[in-house]
Amino acid sequence: DTGVSQNPRHKITKRGQNVTFRCDPISEHNRLYWYRQTLGQGPEFLTYFQNEAQLEKSRLLSDRFSAERPKGSFSTLEIQRTEQGDSAMYLCASSLAQRAGELFFGEGSRLTVL
Amino acid sequence: AQSVTQLDSQVPVFEEAPVELRCNYSSSVSVYLFWYVQYPNQGLQLLLKYLSGSTLVKGINGFEAEFNKSQTSFHLRKPSVHISDTAEYFCAVRGYGGSGGGADGLTFGKGTHLIIQP
Repeated sequence: DTGVSQNPRHKITKRGQNVTFRCDPISEHNRLYWYRQTLGQGPEFLTYFQNEAQLEKSRLLSDRFSAERPKGSFSTLEIQRTEQGDSAMYLCASSLAQRAGELFFGEGSRLTVL
Repeated sequence: AQSVTQLDSQVPVFEEAPVELRCNYSSSVSVYLFWYVQYPNQGLQLLLKYLSGSTLVKGINGFEAEFNKSQTSFHLRKPSVHISDTAEYFCAVRGYGGSGGGADGLTFGKGTHLIIQP
């Protein structure tokens, strides 16, 4: 399968713990996006990379969140000192820069903070 | 910045009947418009897009949408729905030609759950 892959698919953690999600984009895509989706809402933009450069971050991305794409391939999203409000589905998507907006999404990583 | 309003959170329709899912947007700059579909337990996938040119765009699975600049709308339509169309549908917008947060990311609406009744 050459689609966008996200791991883990589900994560349950206790408040205050750190969690990390990984996204493997479609190999030829140079852009990678992170979104968050809560129940009854559409995806909300968090951040995106073009190759290894993080070009934009949403105001939603607090200091406890950090994303990396060290070699311009896979990306990680880390949440430190998790809070119950962080419970959500974290979506990764990739695209070609010249076709921005035509995103290919992974199935998401669901985070539950107890 | 852009915003998207999907007025209907849920639309029930009988199989083989026509359907329209409404989408309105707000933007201070020009926009590209998209519809994404999310089938149960699957990731979002692109249904259709409007970038420029003809205001009537056709997508996969028999869906089409019409861009109306004066009404700032991009409604999605299908003349005859099937059980397999049961899904969550998201309208999304991307601005261009100006500045603003998330200019290269998409702004999504809250989604419309299409429920097909046999």
